[in-house]
Amino acid sequence: GAVVSQHPSWVICKSGTSVKIECRSLDFQATTMFWYRQFPKQSLMLMATSNEGSKATYEQGVEKDKFLINHASLTLSTLTVTSAHPEDSSFYICSAREAGQYHTQYFGPGTRLTVL
Amino acid sequence: QQQVKQSPQSLIVQKGGISIINCAYENTAFDYFPWYQQFPGKGPALLIAIRPDVSEKKEGRFTISFNKSAKQFSLHIMDSQPGDSATYFCAASISGNTPLVFGKGTRLSVIA
Repeated sequence: GAVVSQHPSWVICKSGTSVKIECRSLDFQATTMFWYRQFPKQSLMLMATSNEGSKATYEQGVEKDKFLINHASLTLSTLTVTSAHPEDSSFYICSAREAGQYHTQYFGPGTRLTVL
Repeated sequence: QQQVKQSPQSLIVQKGGISIINCAYENTAFDYFPWYQQFPGKGPALLIAIRPDVSEKKEGRFTISFNKSAKQFSLHIMDSQPGDSATYFCAASISGNTPLVFGKGTRLSVIA
């Protein structure tokens, strides 16, 4: 089956620093990738949708200048949390949709971000 | 407004029993209904999915039942095992590269 990887799996950073999270589709080309945020015992909250080669579409309430998304290729999307603060601590999960497919989303294993 | 309502929030089932999780939706434009399984600290994994042109789909111990007129669909886990203990999310989407809309999740605990 389709595999999506994320790196790093966990990261601890100091308040005010920036953190980059990578999302890769390993065995398929992903024209669309999605970034989610999940708080403990809660559902996934869609942050943004990114299409390869174009600007990401952010959900209402998500600061695009704080959560920078780049979908540079058909296999890689990155999420950069800029000037991170403790309230940004969360579980970030990406998902990818294969080119030509309009339904199935394959999820990465997630990245646990802790901001001190 | 929550587009996909999931119940129950938590569920405890005896080993060997049937686990049933229900979801309801409002948007009749939805045409894809997957279920995801998530273990703590992991990303969701696609379990099974259905389109509205069929009323039931079975894969191993997992079955989706779909009721288009009632705008409801459910996940049945037969012969539930302790290894099935996880959080289950229903979701829905519309053709055309739109993102999935998720339910709030059900925490399933299968006890021996």
